[in-house]
Amino acid sequence: DAGVIQSPRHEVTEMGQEVTLRCKPISGHNSLFWYRQTMMRGLELLIYFNNNVPIDDSGMPEDRFSAKMPNASFSTLKIQPSEPRDSAVYFCASSPRTGADTIYFGEGSWLTVV
Amino acid sequence: GQSLEQPSEVTAVEGAIVQINCTYQTSGFYGLSWYQQHDGGAPTFLSYNALDGLEETGRFSSFLSRSDSYGYLLLQELQMKDSASYFCAVGGTGGFKTIFGAGTRLFVKA
Repeated sequence: DAGVIQSPRHEVTEMGQEVTLRCKPISGHNSLFWYRQTMMRGLELLIYFNNNVPIDDSGMPEDRFSAKMPNASFSTLKIQPSEPRDSAVYFCASSPRTGADTIYFGEGSWLTVV
Repeated sequence: GQSLEQPSEVTAVEGAIVQINCTYQTSGFYGLSWYQQHDGGAPTFLSYNALDGLEETGRFSSFLSRSDSYGYLLLQELQMKDSASYFCAVGGTGGFKTIFGAGTRLFVKA
């Protein structure tokens, strides 16, 4: 079975540009998470969805960040405009249960904003 | 809110046993999980405890005491490939909001 699929794997962009990160969760999973990982802040939960509905976006750092899940097999995380401090690894993850006791991570999108 | 504390770094020798502790604070507890992450990789699930006691999975075991808001991951017969970061995570009210600790960097020496 395919795991969580993220794209792009690596992106380098200039400050001010729009960045769109994409995620395809594992089929049948009803919870989806976006995490950001940096050395300074560790693994931060940005937003999570249950059955395509955003449940809590309190971790989204600013209005520059937005996330959508138009259907059960696709989600996007958008940053507009991007800033150098957004440089991080962004992980999408999914879970088969509401309880989220087992979370399956994608390989991550490595974002560098210069 | 939710918060977790775990040591930043642990060093052990190959073949030894190491314990990584985790204390947590959460408004609604829904289980303690452990994840492993190698450099450049993604976190991968190791174990989960919803109830008090010890869960064993091969060389890895995880323990939970809900009354103490405490758990640990026990790694036995350490191998060089176990060198990685280990994260504890808690699911809060409703289980949705899974928050990760800062991670413990494990160095296994020959």
